[in-house]
Amino acid sequence: GIQVEQSPPDLILQEGANSTLRCNFSDSVNNLQWFHQNPWGQLINLFYIPSGTKQNGRLSATTVATERYSLLYISSSQTTDSGVYFCAVVIAPYSGAGSYQLTFGKGTKLSVIP
Amino acid sequence: EAGVAQSPRYKIIEKRQSVAFWCNPISGHATLYWYQQILGQGPKLLIQFQNNGVVDDSQLPKDRFSAERLKGVDSTLKIQPAKLEDSAVYLCASSLSRLTGTGYEQYFGPGTRLTVT
Repeated sequence: GIQVEQSPPDLILQEGANSTLRCNFSDSVNNLQWFHQNPWGQLINLFYIPSGTKQNGRLSATTVATERYSLLYISSSQTTDSGVYFCAVVIAPYSGAGSYQLTFGKGTKLSVIP
Repeated sequence: EAGVAQSPRYKIIEKRQSVAFWCNPISGHATLYWYQQILGQGPKLLIQFQNNGVVDDSQLPKDRFSAERLKGVDSTLKIQPAKLEDSAVYLCASSLSRLTGTGYEQYFGPGTRLTVT
């Protein structure tokens, strides 16, 4: 099956700093999502980005599908950004019907300290 | 728009007991997923429904886990009997499942944290 690797596994930032999280995947994908899992366990959708670049406030993401990686940028980090960031991918079935399960990486645990 | 709803939020049971979780997806979402997330790992799919039919249950431990989605809306996931290794967060997700735009973007509920003692 497809492999999803995230780096770094842990990251500690001073409030106000910038960071880049990386997601490498082993095969072509039809869907790539970035999530933030907050300390209460809720998975919050950040980006749906199988290719290209998107921005949402202090966060932006870029996926280079041909080179099989995606990057999540966090600028001017805040303590509320703490939590685990997951990258997840889908290889859609050729026929259009079938499993669209997300395969998750192991996550990057981000701690933002004041 | 209301998100994915799940209940209960927390459950503590003894091994060999049974437990059931409930999920109500986002209105209009045809596809519903149940994932299991063990501490320190990413979620792993247990079962996927398209309307009220099962699309993928290849990773569901069928000797003890069962799930249903009657009328193509709400779903229940049951464990009977529970084992210690079933301690995890059970997440429900849903998606529109259209072939255009972001139709396959998945949205997750708050999860049910299960502890088996």
